[in-house]
Amino acid sequence: GNSVTQMEGPVTLSEEAFLTINCTYTATGYPSLFWYVQYPGEGLQLLLKATKADDKGSNKGFEATYRKETTSFHLEKGSVQVSDSAVYFCALRIPTGGFKTIFGAGTRLFVKA
Amino acid sequence: NAGVTQTPKFQVLKTGQSMTLQCAQDMNHNSMYWYRQDPGMGLRLIYYSASEGTTDKGEVPNGYNVSRLNKREFSLRLESAAPSQTSVYFCASSEREAIYYNEQFFGPGTRLTVL
Repeated sequence: GNSVTQMEGPVTLSEEAFLTINCTYTATGYPSLFWYVQYPGEGLQLLLKATKADDKGSNKGFEATYRKETTSFHLEKGSVQVSDSAVYFCALRIPTGGFKTIFGAGTRLFVKA
Repeated sequence: NAGVTQTPKFQVLKTGQSMTLQCAQDMNHNSMYWYRQDPGMGLRLIYYSASEGTTDKGEVPNGYNVSRLNKREFSLRLESAAPSQTSVYFCASSEREAIYYNEQFFGPGTRLTVL
């Protein structure tokens, strides 16, 4: 079946550290891939997306590259800030089976000053 | 634009009570969704409405009903609440279900506790 697997958290980093959150997926067909971010007490909001293989999504210093050969969409940021503390969700949508969005379990990030 | 709004923000129910969660969007989106978020499980789709006048079951529909009242509003009803329905509920919308590369826009959530 279709699924998304993210690295377990929490991830704790110091300010200005490099961030990687791993995401791998299983899907039939050619999915679109997304990273959503959830700040404390809020709903999810789109961080970035990629719709085909080798696409790179980027926003607010975050990047992720759609790797079809490794079925991965890892999230990276070169220098994290305290304000990046949040829960990050990897997700996919497939163009079959009702176009449902499948979410990973989420990875909580804490950034210390 | 308010985006996606949800009411109430918090609710405590006793087992067996009923309630309706309200959701509205002002982005003229065709598709709307209800999710529940439980620790370690990500978001799970309860019901969705691809367009006004249609609703379909998602991954975990048991114990819930929905109504797409009009293009703006999509409500979720718990007829007889159970402790297993303690969760955070999110409403979301997207421009059109068939455009699978479009993102979803989420409301702020309703935190429900069933005692």
